[in-house]
Amino acid sequence: ETGVTQTPRHLVMGMTNKKSLKCEQHLGHNAMYWYKQSAKKPLELMFVYSLEERVENNSVPSRFSPECPNSSHLFLHLHTLQPEDSALYLCASSQELGARVHNEQFFGPGTRLTVL
Amino acid sequence: GQQVMQIPQYQHVQEGEDFTTYCNSSTTLSNIQWYKQRPGGHPVFLIQLVKSGEVKKQKRLTFQFGEAKKNSSLHITATQTTDVGTYFCAAREYGNKLVFGAGTILRVKS
Repeated sequence: ETGVTQTPRHLVMGMTNKKSLKCEQHLGHNAMYWYKQSAKKPLELMFVYSLEERVENNSVPSRFSPECPNSSHLFLHLHTLQPEDSALYLCASSQELGARVHNEQFFGPGTRLTVL
Repeated sequence: GQQVMQIPQYQHVQEGEDFTTYCNSSTTLSNIQWYKQRPGGHPVFLIQLVKSGEVKKQKRLTFQFGEAKKNSSLHITATQTTDVGTYFCAAREYGNKLVFGAGTILRVKS
């Protein structure tokens, strides 16, 4: 148990559906992340909420929309996804100490998403 | 943007043999982290290297950070079946976000 939980663990959705992924960290960290892991591709950072700032990967399509209501919860809202968006979506958290010192990231178990 | 090359992509070894994966960057790194992901699991942090030329050991695992802080390696001595999984390096330039390598998949034949 890493202290980072994700729900649901598995999700199948059609291209016209709207769904949300949820992540919660119980570690008291101040940064949370969304990653996409596809087969045969590196882990792709999608969004970061760190020290109350949001940083995003400009290559992420607008059909993915993050929300971070507080330092313990992170959501990823999905709408009109494409089949190529099928992947494992991983949430992670860390305790950031400033621009030059970065601690390890603790990952959740992931949500396996299939878009039909 | 920042890129991290990790080799090999895949390695299949006999139990008891050694294993090494390498991580290379074209730019100087602030630090480098290593993670392990078991089949069907999620990445789990192993270690972080910060200093030039740093060497750290965890039992049969040895981690090195290059003198120029542009490359790193993970070496496993006498592999065991419990070592199977994908090993990722994750590198960070100063002030930039963490970038993961593609990972090296390790399979161990018993």
